[in-house]
Amino acid sequence: NAGVTQTPKFRILKIGQSMTLQCTQDMNHNYMYWYRQDPGMGLKLIYYSVGAGITDKGEVPNGYNVSRSTTEDFPLRLELAAPSQTSVYFCASSKIDRYHEQYFGPGTRLTVT
Amino acid sequence: RKEVEQDPGPFNVPEGATVAFNCTYSNSASQSFFWYRQDCRKEPKLLMSVYSSGNEDGRFTAQLNRASQYISLLIRDSKLSDSATYLCVGGDAGNMLTFGGGTRLMVKP
Repeated sequence: NAGVTQTPKFRILKIGQSMTLQCTQDMNHNYMYWYRQDPGMGLKLIYYSVGAGITDKGEVPNGYNVSRSTTEDFPLRLELAAPSQTSVYFCASSKIDRYHEQYFGPGTRLTVT
Repeated sequence: RKEVEQDPGPFNVPEGATVAFNCTYSNSASQSFFWYRQDCRKEPKLLMSVYSSGNEDGRFTAQLNRASQYISLLIRDSKLSDSATYLCVGGDAGNMLTFGGGTRLMVKP
């Protein structure tokens, strides 16, 4: 199993550009999450999904959109990129059980200039 | 007030030392707790879960004190490879995790 994969690994965007961060998991997990981590800070939840067709906002959703058309894929869309969105983005997944341990992808480092 | 608070460190310790990190949480409804390890420029990975009164895994011991709302992580016989950031994490009934800001550990020869 590959686990959670993310593409691209790195990206530089100009202010106002848009892009989609891809996330795929092959563990048949129902739950998927997008986090951002700013330098020296903890992870903040952007959006999450409890299953295909269901998404919900996390702590910092402004400027982002998500979709979940399949169990495996959970892309994150940035519209009109701003310098404040410069961060490392992690996708994660978990199964439904009382322990809900999360498995993370390797991250996407995004710089907006 | 942050929901999960940690001392950011860094904790600089010699090889072989014992080091302990504490973490406090403010949401009394938190049901489960975890310690994640994050190496520089890498993704977080689960180190160990903390349930009821705590648990031990090799050189690592995690304790939970619900009355005082704190979690601790003890690392014995520190290795150079233990150098990393340790994230204290609380989980609720809805599969949501709340991450602390992390405690940085540097183990020196």
